[in-house]
Amino acid sequence: QVNLQESGPGLVKPSETLSLNCIVSGDSISSGSYFWTWIRQPAGKGLEWIGRIYSSGTTSYDPSLKSRVTISADTSKNHFSLNLSSVTAADTAVYYCARDSGGMGIQHWGRGTLVTVSS
Amino acid sequence: DIQMTQSPSSVSASVGDRVTIACRPSQNINTYLNWYQQKPGEAPKLLIFATSKLVSGVPSRFSGSESGTEFTLTINSLQPEDSATYYCQQSYKTPRTFGQGTRVEIK
Repeated sequence: QVNLQESGPGLVKPSETLSLNCIVSGDSISSGSYFWTWIRQPAGKGLEWIGRIYSSGTTSYDPSLKSRVTISADTSKNHFSLNLSSVTAADTAVYYCARDSGGMGIQHWGRGTLVTVSS
Repeated sequence: DIQMTQSPSSVSASVGDRVTIACRPSQNINTYLNWYQQKPGEAPKLLIFATSKLVSGVPSRFSGSESGTEFTLTINSLQPEDSATYYCQQSYKTPRTFGQGTRVEIK
């Protein structure tokens, strides 16, 4: 059974970098045909795709965030990470990590972690 | 980016009713359309992928279809536990994009 668990600070100061990890169990992030993905959801709003990393290491980002986002993977620890720089209050959201099967949708999600940007 | 327009934004229906939610992409996405259900405080749950394929374990009252350029999620015989927000998502191109969501309330 595939499980994903987000971890990281719940509070980040404006202009600093938001860093989250997603620990994966039940699957290897370095094998298979899956896209390891970050999605966020501001309170009371819809889902926003941030970006993803493929098992090969290839990344893809939302254009609106591309200048500030880095997604990387540590295959030795079987986790992948999100770094979002120069954060503002608009980046306050619940952040989800997920496994995207491509044409078969996103069936596996973490529980989400709330990150608040505030001084 | 492919814009996904969902309608209505909210719907209130009685137990046993049929509910339909529409999703229209701004460009062709072939059949790469997925539907998710999200309840408060929970992660989204995949219901349907590739327009009409039901995820294992999802009740058969949920179905998906396409007509022309519009995709539809149908909930037949609405149940109390179906109270949630539903999102469509295209998986044809990156960036992956979601509809704005449809809140389904039980009268």
